[in-house]
Amino acid sequence: DIVMTQSPDSLAVSLGERATINCKSSQSVLYSSNNKNYLAWFQQKPGQPPKLLFYWASTRESGVPDRFSGSGSGTDFTLTISSLQAEDVAVYYCHQYYSIPLTFGGGTKVEIK
Amino acid sequence: EVQLVESGGGLAQPGGSLRLSCAASGFTFSNSWMHWVRQAPGKGLVWVSHINTDGSTTSYADSVKGRFTISRDNAKNTLSLQMNSLRVEDTAVYYCARAPISMTDWGQGILVTVSS
Repeated sequence: DIVMTQSPDSLAVSLGERATINCKSSQSVLYSSNNKNYLAWFQQKPGQPPKLLFYWASTRESGVPDRFSGSGSGTDFTLTISSLQAEDVAVYYCHQYYSIPLTFGGGTKVEIK
Repeated sequence: EVQLVESGGGLAQPGGSLRLSCAASGFTFSNSWMHWVRQAPGKGLVWVSHINTDGSTTSYADSVKGRFTISRDNAKNTLSLQMNSLRVEDTAVYYCARAPISMTDWGQGILVTVSS
């Protein structure tokens, strides 16, 4: 199984400041035949289902603000919120869809400082 | 607008059964891989199962293999999860999700509680 490890578990950031979440997979999720990373990021607010932010590690889902960015390749990935807004308070999950069983990171809780 | 609506949750006793359904609309259901994902209270997301477009290929997490069965009815735009031999640790909110690539659209979730 591919283990997804997120860091930190939580972080508090001032409004307008940058938030950075890291995700490391226990093996590469880069598929060599198409050069795509099978890595997604989700945002989950309390009482709501997860919302897809990025797939292929860095392809932004329609409607996601451009203050959010996804980067990385292979085993190391990053979700960045360039200027934190109040509505960004949530738990963020990385997720690999490279191999079965599909797995998620443990989540990173983002709060306002 | 894509809509996924789960139903069939509730309280079950350990060893009991429940059948979850997910009614899909707003997209071509028969063209979409579908997933079940669960989330125990206060915990993270855990993938449970998926099924391909025509139902010929299914996969399961080890924790539910042999107890849960995923299926679909493309004529009725419905995804199902038959859950047998339920355990206390199966208590969670269960989400169905549509996955053209990754899990693009999610239902609101349905709570399953396994308790005596």
